[in-house]
Amino acid sequence: QVTLRESGPALVKPTQTLTLTCTFSGFSLTTNGMCVNWIRQPPGKALEWLARIDWDDEKYYSTSLKTRLTISKDTSKNQVVLTMTNLDPVDTATYYCARTNTAAASNFLDPWGQGTLVTVSS
Amino acid sequence: SYELTQPPSMSVSPGQTASITCSGHKLGDKYACWFQQKPGQSPLLVIYQDSRRPSGIPERFSGSNSGNTATLTISETQAMDEADYYCQAWDSTTAVFGGGTKLTVL
Repeated sequence: QVTLRESGPALVKPTQTLTLTCTFSGFSLTTNGMCVNWIRQPPGKALEWLARIDWDDEKYYSTSLKTRLTISKDTSKNQVVLTMTNLDPVDTATYYCARTNTAAASNFLDPWGQGTLVTVSS
Repeated sequence: SYELTQPPSMSVSPGQTASITCSGHKLGDKYACWFQQKPGQSPLLVIYQDSRRPSGIPERFSGSNSGNTATLTISETQAMDEADYYCQAWDSTTAVFGGGTKLTVL
């Protein structure tokens, strides 16, 4: 069974850096095709894809946020870390991680973690 | 940047068919997915590869994708189907989501 769980601070001050961790089980990020994505959702708003890291350490970022994001992985711990710099109140959102598999016929986001709510406020 | 457009809301009577559309330039050349999200829950994949249902998703959920439009169809809609629905596709290596459709069953 594949599971993912997000963790990180619930409250961050403006201008600070956010560090989120996705801890997963049921698959390995050393397996060909496996990827972990980060997606966020501001309260009452739509989903927004942020970044992806692949089994071969290739990394992809949202065009609009790429200057503020860094994604990395620790395969020994089964963890993926996302950092976002220069936080602003508009970054208040629930942050999700989700798996994809580029070796499959189609690359679908499944499953998702339960999400972690991050509030940016002074 | 690539965009996907969904109607913000729609309503359907129990037992009727709901069809939610998702529009994007040449969307039919890409694979479309659909996610269901109920309040306080994570998104749940209900359709992938345009029309395939993951294990555990009821047969009343179906999908199609052609031209510029992907469609999620829910047959014999039930009260439990009331939720937000999001379409998603990949634009090269970037995942793009539609703005979501709030489906009300009344």
